[in-house]
Amino acid sequence: SQQGEEDPQALSIQEGENATMNCSYKTSINNLQWYRQNSGRGLVHLILIRSNEREKHSGRLRVTLDTSKKSSSLLITASRAADTASYFCATVPSSNDYKLSFGAGTTVTVRA
Amino acid sequence: SQTIHQWPATLVQPVGSPLSLECTVEGTSNPNLYWYRQAAGRGLQLLFYSVGIGQISSEVPQNLSASRPQDWQFILSSKKLLLSDSGFYLCALHREGTEAFFGQGTRLTVV
Repeated sequence: SQQGEEDPQALSIQEGENATMNCSYKTSINNLQWYRQNSGRGLVHLILIRSNEREKHSGRLRVTLDTSKKSSSLLITASRAADTASYFCATVPSSNDYKLSFGAGTTVTVRA
Repeated sequence: SQTIHQWPATLVQPVGSPLSLECTVEGTSNPNLYWYRQAAGRGLQLLFYSVGIGQISSEVPQNLSASRPQDWQFILSSKKLLLSDSGFYLCALHREGTEAFFGQGTRLTVV
């Protein structure tokens, strides 16, 4: 079963705007990860945040984690056309470090 | 650096035919390996994972099986394909506490 659920399912924004997507999960986690997938390709890792961390940054990406609410958000600032892709959160549960379970993803379209 | 290879990129198979998808990794030893399936416009469904040679954990009962004959090799198989087996299959390697690396995927169409 899928652990994470992203919201919204789809997002369309103008180039230069910020894009925010959320991920909710059900069980305690060891860490949470965000990935990007361009159409028809494999997934590329963006950022990993551990359960004892609340915020991480990487370039134009900002990820927050609220373990009390079992939720995470990914913010892409100053979006570019090249950011058009699907974004997935993935969780590693505390009970099993081997499992990496993905949500359904958010499809982001950045209009030029 | 570690790399992961997956082939073929696309595959069209008739219903009832067998399937063998191979995933190989380089540049790392004793990785955890995963098979995921992605339906069109959907998320990734974890099918199998393996923490070592001969060790397979199945997440979803189905028409597929997996094997890990070598540390660097992970194979997804089916004896008789169903229409519902169509999808995008992704192999990944992952170490605890780190990010996962994905192959480029195989798009399987069962006709």
